[in-house]
Amino acid sequence: KNEVEQSPQNLTAQEGEFITINCSYSVGISALHWLQQHPGGGIVSLFMLSSGKKKHGRLIATINIQEKHSSLHITASHPRDSAVYICAVTGERSNFGNEKLTFGTGTRLTIIP
Amino acid sequence: NAGVTQTPKFQVLKTGQSMTLQCAQDMNHEYMSWYRQDPGMGLRLIHYSVGAGITDQGEVPNGYNVSRSTTEDFPLRLLSAAPSQTSVYFCASSYRRTSNGYTFGSGTRLTVV
Repeated sequence: KNEVEQSPQNLTAQEGEFITINCSYSVGISALHWLQQHPGGGIVSLFMLSSGKKKHGRLIATINIQEKHSSLHITASHPRDSAVYICAVTGERSNFGNEKLTFGTGTRLTIIP
Repeated sequence: NAGVTQTPKFQVLKTGQSMTLQCAQDMNHEYMSWYRQDPGMGLRLIHYSVGAGITDQGEVPNGYNVSRSTTEDFPLRLLSAAPSQTSVYFCASSYRRTSNGYTFGSGTRLTVV
């Protein structure tokens, strides 16, 4: 079993729908990251969080440390949101919260106009 | 401010050849790292560095060498390429104490024949 599991692996939705991508992890962590990989291959860091909730535009990331679970939500989804969304964690032995990431395999999101 | 620059973008090598993948950042980030991305698997850490002169192994270090002589540069060397090293390679950097996550390079697609 991987240390970081994402669900679903693939998600297709209509434009405007509310999207939820889930991430569960099995180790203690110091931080959790959400990344976006564009169809062209580039990777962008969306969120880094260790507790609670963060929001940026139409994207919201939440984390429940006790349940070892995080969700990424996209409101009013748009075709330009089509990408692979990757969850990653930094182990709790990290002193700095941003070393030695362990990645999930990603969720491929397709938004249909 | 160029961010993280990786070169080359594409490379084809013959088995046994050597090459260096270049990674440079202009943000004065202390932490730099190399990952490989293979189909069906999450990104995996090859080597990382927490500052000039300091490097350490990640999850899949065999067949790769790194050095960090300056804060800006973190090259990845393949001494004798093997077909198993066919992959997409990403360099990433960050400040050590940050809540802003990583900055990724655009990737190098390497094929070893």
